[in-house]
Amino acid sequence: GAVVSQHPSWVICKSGTSVKIECRSLDFQATTMFWYRQFPKQSLMLMATSNEGSKATYEQGVEKDKFLINHASLTLSTLTVTSAHPEDSSFYICSASQGARLGYTFGSGTRLTVV
Amino acid sequence: AQKVTQAQTEISVVEKEDVTLDCVYETRDTTYYLFWYKQPPSGELVFLIRRNSFDEQNEISGRYSWNFQKSTSSFNFTITASQVVDSAVYFCALDTGTASKLTFGTGTRLQVTL
Repeated sequence: GAVVSQHPSWVICKSGTSVKIECRSLDFQATTMFWYRQFPKQSLMLMATSNEGSKATYEQGVEKDKFLINHASLTLSTLTVTSAHPEDSSFYICSASQGARLGYTFGSGTRLTVV
Repeated sequence: AQKVTQAQTEISVVEKEDVTLDCVYETRDTTYYLFWYKQPPSGELVFLIRRNSFDEQNEISGRYSWNFQKSTSSFNFTITASQVVDSAVYFCALDTGTASKLTFGTGTRLQVTL
């Protein structure tokens, strides 16, 4: 079946630094990739949608200058949290889609802790 | 706009009990897809089922079964003879043709105890 690899699985960084999270579709080409954020005991909140070769579409309230998304190929999307602060600490999950008919495949998530 | 409601925040059952997780959705689209995912404590999302709006047949997979009723806009999930390993958060989600993205419910935390 379709597999999405997300790295790192966890990261601790100092306040003010930037962190990059990678999301790769291993055995299929993803037309669209999605980035979600999940706070403890809450649902997944969609942050942005990205299509290969074009700018990401951010959801309302998500700072695009803070959460940089690059979708350079059909198998790789990256999320960079710039100038991270403790309030950015969260669980980030990516998802790759081949269209609604074929469904969505999720990465294993990245737990970010900013100290 | 799309919306998914999972009214049950937390459910606690004893092992071997049956449990039903409710999901009610809202959409004006006639073509849409409904999903259920399991999120164990490790955090990854495990795909359980996808159902399109034109297929109202109920589905059974082992101890899992799903009841899709368009008349009540519901897509409920039943676990028969629950086990401790079923303890997780379960999310219902909706994808419509116009949205082309998943809208998640708030999730139901299921705790199965011995």
